[in-house]
Amino acid sequence: QLQLQESGPELVKPSETLSLTCTVSGGSISSSTSYWGWIRQPPGKGLEWIGIIYYSGTTFYNPSLKSRLTMSVDTSKNHFSLKLNSVTAADTAVYYCAKAWNYGEGWYFDYWGQGTLVTVSS
Amino acid sequence: DIQMTQSPSILSASVGERVIITCRASQSINNWLAWYQQKPGRAPKLLIYAASGLQIGVPSRFSGSGSGTEFTLTISSLQPDDFATYYCQQYGSYSSFGQGTKLEIK
Repeated sequence: QLQLQESGPELVKPSETLSLTCTVSGGSISSSTSYWGWIRQPPGKGLEWIGIIYYSGTTFYNPSLKSRLTMSVDTSKNHFSLKLNSVTAADTAVYYCAKAWNYGEGWYFDYWGQGTLVTVSS
Repeated sequence: DIQMTQSPSILSASVGERVIITCRASQSINNWLAWYQQKPGRAPKLLIYAASGLQIGVPSRFSGSGSGTEFTLTISSLQPDDFATYYCQQYGSYSSFGQGTKLEIK
């Protein structure tokens, strides 16, 4: 059974960089069908797609976050990562990582991590 | 960007009832639509993909339909475990989610 687990600081100061890692277990991050994604959810609000990375390192970002976002993958450690710079209070959210399937020109998500709350505050 | 609009935002229903949640896309997405169920403090759970494909392990009382810009999620007979928030998601062009429909006990 595929499992994903987010990790990283729970508190980030405004203007600094939010960094999270998603560790995949129960399967390889490098399979040919393997796209991996990040989704976030501000407290009490809906879901927002952040971005997708393929195991080769190809990335697809939400245009609204693209200028601040970097995603990477480390196949040797079976994990992928997210960095969001210049954060503000609006970036406070539960951040989920997920396994993605590519159809059409987008992705849906079947396996999700449990999520990690990241708070942006001084 | 493709905008997704769900209705209603809140739905009150009783156990055993049949309920329908609607999702509308701002432009055609063919059948590239998924539905998720989310309970408080939990990650979303995939129910439906490709508008009508039932994810493995999801009860058959859940069904999806639609294409183009109009989609529905139907729960044929509500069970106590079904009270949750439901989201639609388009993946015809990158990805975006609807604002959610909270299904409450009447």
